[in-house]
Amino acid sequence: DAGITQSPRHKVTETGTPVTLRCHQTENHRYMYWYRQDPGHGLRLIHYSYGVKDTDKGEVSDGYSVSRSKTEDFLLTLESATSSQTSVYFCAISEPDTGGYEQYFGPGTRLTVT
Amino acid sequence: TQLLEQSPQFLSIQEGENLTVYCNSSSVFSSLQWYRQEPGEGPVLLVTVVTGGEVKKLKRLTFQFGDARKDSSLHITAAQTGDTGLYLCAGDEYDYKLSFGAGTTVTVRA
Repeated sequence: DAGITQSPRHKVTETGTPVTLRCHQTENHRYMYWYRQDPGHGLRLIHYSYGVKDTDKGEVSDGYSVSRSKTEDFLLTLESATSSQTSVYFCAISEPDTGGYEQYFGPGTRLTVT
Repeated sequence: TQLLEQSPQFLSIQEGENLTVYCNSSSVFSSLQWYRQEPGEGPVLLVTVVTGGEVKKLKRLTFQFGDARKDSSLHITAAQTGDTGLYLCAGDEYDYKLSFGAGTTVTVRA
């Protein structure tokens, strides 16, 4: 299994508060991704990173920001949490530089915004 | 609107039966991947197909990539209860970002 951890694994927060989720990898992969998973939608890309300090938006980036100051860590911040951001969040990594198309996923963070 | 349409959305079969899940799009993909996800866990990669017309077999699972690189199918022969899970297809449009289908929930009854 790819070495990917996410923290926290579960969080309950109130509307309007900022929340930061952390993804940590030990594989030294260049690409890292944040997805959210909601019933009927599969996984939707929020933001991704293609190197330290290099990030770009995905299809559902509004209300989210990211930072990557080290290869191994990718942070997702909900600037002011809303109930519509209640979801399961997954981090993934990949290394296309070695010809790999595959993405490997972390265990997920279940976030509830009340 | 999903870039990738998966069908059926739900599938319930008896152990020993065969099943097929379809993944269709109007877009062309550089690669297409299939994942299986169990409750409370992240998706786990099953296979990657990269060549139009490619067929890959993984024990009782057979994956096919369409000639035009727009669609794919997953066929399971003699399903077992351990095959129960959410099956997701995902396509890469030559930019190292994946677009996922909504998933097919497969239930194999003993």
